Amino acid sequence: GQQLNQSPQSMFIQEGEDVSMNCTSSSIFNTWLWYKQDPGEGPVLLIALYKAGELTSNGRLTAQFGITRKDSFLNISASIPSDVGIYFCAGPVLSGGSNYKLTFGKGTLLTVNP
Amino acid sequence: SAVISQKPSRDICQRGTSLTIQCQVDSQVTMMFWYRQQPGQSLTLIATANQGSEATYESGFVIDKFPISRPNLTFSTLTVSNMSPEDSSIYLCSVEIAGGPADTQYFGPGTRLTVL
Repeated sequence: GQQLNQSPQSMFIQEGEDVSMNCTSSSIFNTWLWYKQDPGEGPVLLIALYKAGELTSNGRLTAQFGITRKDSFLNISASIPSDVGIYFCAGPVLSGGSNYKLTFGKGTLLTVNP
Repeated sequence: SAVISQKPSRDICQRGTSLTIQCQVDSQVTMMFWYRQQPGQSLTLIATANQGSEATYESGFVIDKFPISRPNLTFSTLTVSNMSPEDSSIYLCSVEIAGGPADTQYFGPGTRLTVL
């Protein structure tokens, strides 16, 4: 099936630094989603991208939908301790007939040193 | 978005027993989904629960082990049957909101299950 390759697996940065993570696929996606999961919580949708080339911001977060539709990146500027968590990319794939399901990357674990 | 709640938030269960997890949404949703997240892993879809029809299960998941109910547009349950320690995971429901953007899901807080 379609897989999302997310990198890096983990990042350990100092507070105030900028962060970049990305997802790639060998298949085309029509939607890219970025989620953040805090320990013991469910994933929270950060940014949704629906159009190739789209660049969308949410506060200090910026995400782009790659022109080829096979990749997306998420940037976090001026990181703060509460940015700690696991970041997942996700995209819809067909799952039997006209149904779809989300496939997820393996996640990027971000640690921010105060 | 939507406000999604799950009950219980966590549980510790004995091998061989069953646990039913509830997912409640504060608005009507078209599609509801159940995921499993094993420790340190990403999310894996168990099944799609559509109101008024049988749930659709992904490869590797069967109805006898994970029966699902979807009695209305705001509620669903997932039962983990005849549990074993390998079923220890976080179970998450998610929804696609009626009239919202397609292919976009919002997640509940999860149910952390430990099987002894």
